[in-house]
Amino acid sequence: GQNIDQPTEMTATEGAIVQINCTYQTSGFNGLFWYQQHAGEAPTFLSYNVLDGLEEKGRFSSFLSRSKGYSYLLLKELQMKDSASYLCAVSNDYKLSFGAGTTVTVRA
Amino acid sequence: DTGVSQDPRHKITKRGQNVTFRCDPISEHNRLYWYRQTLGQGPEFLTYFQNEAQLEKSRLLSDRFSAERPKGSFSTLEIQRTEQGDSAMYLCASSLTYRGYSGNTIYFGEGSWLTVV
Repeated sequence: GQNIDQPTEMTATEGAIVQINCTYQTSGFNGLFWYQQHAGEAPTFLSYNVLDGLEEKGRFSSFLSRSKGYSYLLLKELQMKDSASYLCAVSNDYKLSFGAGTTVTVRA
Repeated sequence: DTGVSQDPRHKITKRGQNVTFRCDPISEHNRLYWYRQTLGQGPEFLTYFQNEAQLEKSRLLSDRFSAERPKGSFSTLEIQRTEQGDSAMYLCASSLTYRGYSGNTIYFGEGSWLTVV
């Protein structure tokens, strides 16, 4: 089975940095995904990690430690449009298992 | 590339009625997935197809649910005798996988909202 944990909510100020942690326990592992989801919309792909280390993509970075079952998503230079839910998902061959999501609220 | 498209985007139905959702995946994507999402939760896996073959169904998918992908392109998800607990967003997703590659980005459609009254 899969067990994926991430904080429920986080609040940060525009221009700041926020780090969203995700821990997982899984019977199979092909990689870890982060998705962004605005209210009422579908998840959109942000990042994918399959090897340990940091992947940087503009203002967003994602880190993975497979031995620790741990990942984080780092959002830099926060903008108001970054207010959304961020979903951590573990890939096991053909399917994704999602955490419940972290709602990030960016304040002016 | 028009992305994954789903139809209808919103559906309100009375309890006991049947509903059908359609999904058109990204062209040439060989895998197609159905997920369900309720408020405050992450998407839950329902089923997936490799080309036209349905290879797994979640235990969440009761006998009232059926999915098809007849020609390995578009897919339909039908819910028979809907119940209020079926109210959710039904997400379709697709990906391209090939031998020797274990990671594949799964792209989601905009979802079909179902409200059962």
